[in-house]
Amino acid sequence: DGGITQSPKYLFRKEGQNVTLSCEQNLNHDAMYWYRQDPGQGLRLIYYSQIVNDFQKGDIAEGYSVSREKKESFPLTVTSAQKNPTAFYLCASSATAYYEQYFGPGTRLTVT
Amino acid sequence: ELKVEQNPLFLSMQEGKNYTIYCNYSTTSDRLYWYRQDPGKSLESLFVLLSNGAVKQEGRLMASLDTKARLSTLHITAAVHDLSATYFCAVDMVGGADGLTFGKGTHLIIQP
Repeated sequence: DGGITQSPKYLFRKEGQNVTLSCEQNLNHDAMYWYRQDPGQGLRLIYYSQIVNDFQKGDIAEGYSVSREKKESFPLTVTSAQKNPTAFYLCASSATAYYEQYFGPGTRLTVT
Repeated sequence: ELKVEQNPLFLSMQEGKNYTIYCNYSTTSDRLYWYRQDPGKSLESLFVLLSNGAVKQEGRLMASLDTKARLSTLHITAAVHDLSATYFCAVDMVGGADGLTFGKGTHLIIQP
């Protein structure tokens, strides 16, 4: 089955620790995206990548980092610099930029 | 900066009734997406509207796009309980490389 997987589904961390969220896709899509969702809010773009070894900041990139070493993988690191990291994180991919995006199941991160 | 506004943000309606959700956006775009989100879940793609005057229907849901008015509507006909969810519209910037900009979502509750 083709699709997008995110792991883990739930993640708990102590304040001050970095944490990495996994996103893998087997759709052969070139473009991948990370969004953040807070309760009662829409999604906000953190980072996106149109091609391997290249990525761009979105609207709320501060305190986050990404890498795109392989086409199928786009991990997101939430660093200790992120002031309010508790949120629902969604990864998406599309065939190319400007095409329909498909979303993974999400990771719910709680930092205490 | 692209802004996307949905209204209403919360809607409680009875089964069998019709209603419309509105999505306004602030700058030129010719791609608009509607997504559905169930509580605690990821986003499910409902409609992709690619041009002015586009209309798409799936079951009791119908979406339309007026790019001149920068307005999309999601119309619900004879609502049923299973349509209870949060509905998001999202817009691509012209040029398309920047990911999607989402509205805050319409939380829809359909009561028997």
